[in-house]
Amino acid sequence: SQQGEEDPQALSIQEGENATMNCSYKTSINNLQWYRQNSGRGLVHLILIRSNEREKHSGRLRVTLDTSKKSSSLLITASRAADTASYFCATDTSGSRLTFGEGTQLTVNP
Amino acid sequence: EADIYQTPRYLVIGTGKKITLECSQTMGHDKMYWYQQDPGMELHLIHYSYGVNSTEKGDLSSESTVSRIRTEHFPLTLESARPSHTSQYLCASSLGGGGTTGELFFGEGSRLTVL
Repeated sequence: SQQGEEDPQALSIQEGENATMNCSYKTSINNLQWYRQNSGRGLVHLILIRSNEREKHSGRLRVTLDTSKKSSSLLITASRAADTASYFCATDTSGSRLTFGEGTQLTVNP
Repeated sequence: EADIYQTPRYLVIGTGKKITLECSQTMGHDKMYWYQQDPGMELHLIHYSYGVNSTEKGDLSSESTVSRIRTEHFPLTLESARPSHTSQYLCASSLGGGGTTGELFFGEGSRLTVL
């Protein structure tokens, strides 16, 4: 089964609201990363958080990591219509590759 | 914008044809990857490479093959395409070393349809 599971599968919000997506994983990790994918395109890296870090910020993005619960969350503040995309978490457990979760489809309505 | 390129972006072919999906990166990255993704679904790793002359199978069994003769080039080949191979194929690269996997840079993908 997949290492990463994301919740919710789909999220629909209004512009200006915050969006929170969660990711759970099964085994210990070196780092956890979040990616964004616009429909029909490749993935774009958003943020990487190492196993010894608890929180990281980048612009309107805030990522938390709880290794005791094997979970992470991605918060997008003050969302915009342009944030509409699929968001994936990915875990590095082996140092050689990433395993991706199932993704959350975010829709931000203008 | 990442300097990693995939061709073709779209390909429609008949069953039994041989196809090669091209992937090139100009960043000098040692590690390269091929992921397979059905629409709206998760990514599955099918092949990866640590560097020249290194190739490994990924987590998802695939009938495709890859080669890594040059650092910048990581083509994927299907000898005899079938409808079950219809999918999007995403190529990615990353810097090596450090014992961890860093940021992946993705191409725009190759969407393959086998009739």
